[in-house]
Amino acid sequence: SQQGEEDPQALSIQEGENATMNCSYKTSINNLQWYRQNSGRGLVHLILIRSNEREKHSGRLRVTLDTSKKSSSLLITASRAADTASYFCATVLTGANSKLTFGKGITLSVRP
Amino acid sequence: GAGVSQSPSNKVTEKGKDVELRCDPISGHTALYWYRQSLGQGLEFLIYFQGNSAPDKSGLPSDRFSAERTGGSVSTLTIQRTQQEDSAVYLCASSLASGQIYEQYFGPGTRLTVT
Repeated sequence: SQQGEEDPQALSIQEGENATMNCSYKTSINNLQWYRQNSGRGLVHLILIRSNEREKHSGRLRVTLDTSKKSSSLLITASRAADTASYFCATVLTGANSKLTFGKGITLSVRP
Repeated sequence: GAGVSQSPSNKVTEKGKDVELRCDPISGHTALYWYRQSLGQGLEFLIYFQGNSAPDKSGLPSDRFSAERTGGSVSTLTIQRTQQEDSAVYLCASSLASGQIYEQYFGPGTRLTVT
């Protein structure tokens, strides 16, 4: 079953613009992670934010977490054509083991 | 070695046949996970190993699916009597340990097509 729901489902922007993707989830989490997938194959871990954190940065990535609203956002600044991919949020549930529960993903297209 | 490797990268099989998918985790990683990605169901957890034990196999869809891990390293996922709904990309991931904060590193996946 899906824990996370991302929106929008698809996003198309011009190179240089910022891309914002949102994820909502349903139950209490230990942490939330964002992954990128190119061409429908392996997933690449981007960033992890713990439930007691509100914001994290990694290079051009900024992630926020609002546990009261059960939502997270991923901001990619100054996007590049190489950022074109599918992005997934995944949660690790409180008290559970470390398995990831994924959302359905967002398809990001960055036009050169 | 490098990252997580999986073999084969693609597998086409006839309905009713058995298949074995292999995963080589990153050396030293004690936790190993199998996920499945299909158009209809998205990305789903199947099973996870800590060492050679599988504390959580709740995601295996039916008793046709089984997995084992030997020597705390290589894992095989076996699907018996394959059905068309088994067609999907099977992804393996490993992490340094099974704690909740450890990043999971994914392999490139095995694309299974059941005809």
